[in-house]
Amino acid sequence: QLQLQESGPGLVKPSETLSLTCTVSGGSISGSAYYWDWIRQPPGKGLEWIGNIHYSGSTYYNPSLESRVTMSVDTSKRQFSLRLSSVTAADTAVYYCARHPSGSRYRFEDWGQGTLVSVSS
Amino acid sequence: QSALTQPPSASGSPGQSVTISCTGTSSDVGGYNYVSWYQQHPGKAPKLIIYEVSKRPSGVPDRFSGSKSGNTASLTVSGLQAEDEADYYCNSLAGDINVFGSGTKVTVL
Repeated sequence: QLQLQESGPGLVKPSETLSLTCTVSGGSISGSAYYWDWIRQPPGKGLEWIGNIHYSGSTYYNPSLESRVTMSVDTSKRQFSLRLSSVTAADTAVYYCARHPSGSRYRFEDWGQGTLVSVSS
Repeated sequence: QSALTQPPSASGSPGQSVTISCTGTSSDVGGYNYVSWYQQHPGKAPKLIIYEVSKRPSGVPDRFSGSKSGNTASLTVSGLQAEDEADYYCNSLAGDINVFGSGTKVTVL
């Protein structure tokens, strides 16, 4: 059974870069079958799609965050990563990694448990 | 791209039905048959319950159903059960990206 697990610092200072990694177990990150996504949820608020990456390295980003987002994939480690630069308090959120099948048009079938990242000095 | 509009709350007694709306534009909900719905219990990750407007993943009870008319999609939960109390989010394809709804808290009275 596929499992996704987010990891990274729980506290980031304003203006610095948030870095998270999602480790995939019970399945392959390689192959054209899936895209790997990041989604976030500020405390008490709704979900926001950040972007995704394919094992080939191709990416799609939410235009509202595109200038600050970088995603990468390491197939040898079965991991994909998120970097969000110049963070502010508004970036405080639970960050989820997820996946959707190619061609499904964003059917998020599997999710990690989420990790809370707080932005504070 | 603005969030899709959902009512903040909805409620019903056990056994009753509740319907949640998700309103967008012709650039998202109205333009594609790629609306999905997610159920989220407190402290948990969202769970896919409806995709492509009205399809249910394996294991999701048929009490959950989806539909769409114009720029508005709807989720109906029939025969409400205590475990249906949760937050529900819609999501729609919007060109090359996707957008979530604002979320609806469903309370089972």
